[in-house]
Amino acid sequence: DIQMTQSPASLSASVGDRVTITCRASQGISNFLAWFQQKPGKAPKSLIYAASNWQSGVPPKFSGSGSGTDFTLTITSLQPEDSATYYCQQYHTYPWTFGQGTKVEIK
Amino acid sequence: QVQLVQSGAEVKKPGASMKVSCKTSGYTFINYGINWVRQAPGQGLEWLGWISAYNGDTKYAEKEQGRLTMTTDTSTKTAYLELRSLRRDDTAVYYCAKEGSWYAVDYWGQGTLVTVSS
Repeated sequence: DIQMTQSPASLSASVGDRVTITCRASQGISNFLAWFQQKPGKAPKSLIYAASNWQSGVPPKFSGSGSGTDFTLTITSLQPEDSATYYCQQYHTYPWTFGQGTKVEIK
Repeated sequence: QVQLVQSGAEVKKPGASMKVSCKTSGYTFINYGINWVRQAPGQGLEWLGWISAYNGDTKYAEKEQGRLTMTTDTSTKTAYLELRSLRRDDTAVYYCAKEGSWYAVDYWGQGTLVTVSS
C-alpha cells in the first residue's frame, strides 16, 4: 500500500497567518492527490483534487501544489473558521490511502 | 444540488451484520462511483472500497475483503454498504462519498455511527 505521511501533525497559528501542510507519498502518485477539511463531529469536506484544482465552491485561500511524491496545502489569511483537521489522500493506486491528518488550531 | 443522505445510527452486537444506505440526489447516479470511508473514534480516515454505480464493479480494501459487500440500486439511486461478522473495532462513523472529477471524491454523506457492543 502507498503510505501518505503528513507534517506537521498539528500546528497553531494566528488569525491572518499563512500556513502550509506537507504530504509525502511513499511512491510516485503523479497528481492523484486530494485534500479534505474535517471539523469536529462533521463529515469531511473536499477542498482540492488533482493536487491543485479547487472543488466547487472552495475559496482560493486554499491552494494545493506538488506532483510525484511531495505535495503541499497552503491556507492564506487564516481565519477562526479554518480551525479543523486536514487530510491528504492518494487515489492513484488501490487501496486509496489517507494521511494521518494535520490539526490546525488558531492561537 | 448534490446530496448524499445516509441511514441512521446503529448499535450491533459482535458477530452481527450491519447495512448502511446512502441515498443520492442532484446528479446522474450511474455516471459516478461511490466510495465508502470509515473513521473510528478519535482516529483518521480509512478507505473501505469503491463501487461503480454504472455496472456494479467493486474494489475493496484487502483488510476487510470477505466481510464487505457494496451494492447499488439504480432505481432508487442508493448505495449500500454491508459489513458482516462485526467486531468491537468496527465501531466507527461510516461515510459514503461520491466520485467526481478525475476519480477524486467531491461530495460526502453526513456519516452513520455504527457501535458494536455486547
